Amino acid sequence: DAGVTQSPTHLIKTRGQQVTLRCSPKSGHDTVSWYQQALGQGPQFIFQYYEEEERQRGNFPDRFSGHQFPNYSSELNVNALLLGDSALYLCASSPGTGRTEAFFGQGTRLTVV
Amino acid sequence: RKEVEQDPGPFNVPEGATVAFNCTYSNSASQSFFWYRQDCRKEPKLLMSVYSSGNEDGRFTAQLNRASQYISLLIRDSKLSDSATYLCVVPGNQFYFGTGTSLTVIP
Repeated sequence: DAGVTQSPTHLIKTRGQQVTLRCSPKSGHDTVSWYQQALGQGPQFIFQYYEEEERQRGNFPDRFSGHQFPNYSSELNVNALLLGDSALYLCASSPGTGRTEAFFGQGTRLTVV
Repeated sequence: RKEVEQDPGPFNVPEGATVAFNCTYSNSASQSFFWYRQDCRKEPKLLMSVYSSGNEDGRFTAQLNRASQYISLLIRDSKLSDSATYLCVVPGNQFYFGTGTSLTVIP
């Protein structure tokens, strides 16, 4: 079992650019959630996907969008990057949308310059 | 009021010490709680789940006080390898994370 995998692991982008991050959930998991973690802070919920639909959304602007594919993998897209978008982006998968444990990928460290 | 609040520390303790972290939550309807461990620049990993009054796993004990709406994590006989950030998580419509408590175990 490969667990949750994310790509790329590191990324450097320029302000105003767009970025796409990818996540493959743990085998048997159908729910994917995305988090942003700034240095020294706890992860902040961006949104959750289940059955290819966004089910829950945190307090993030529309520049943050996502997608879930039939194989449960997911993408996070961020448009018009700002310096403040620099963070570790974590993907977590879980079996269903209930309040069960979530398993995290190793994250994508995004730096916006 | 934040959904989850933790003392960020840092906690610096000698090897062998006992250390406890507290976490308070605002939603009295919360039924389950998690403690995650996060090493520097790594992803959070599940340490313990708490579904009733508490849970114990070796040197680690998590306790839940519903009346006061806090959960605690107790680490006994601290090891150097316990140095990490410990995140308190309260599931709701989303996972609500605390800011994390930093622990450094000193030789």
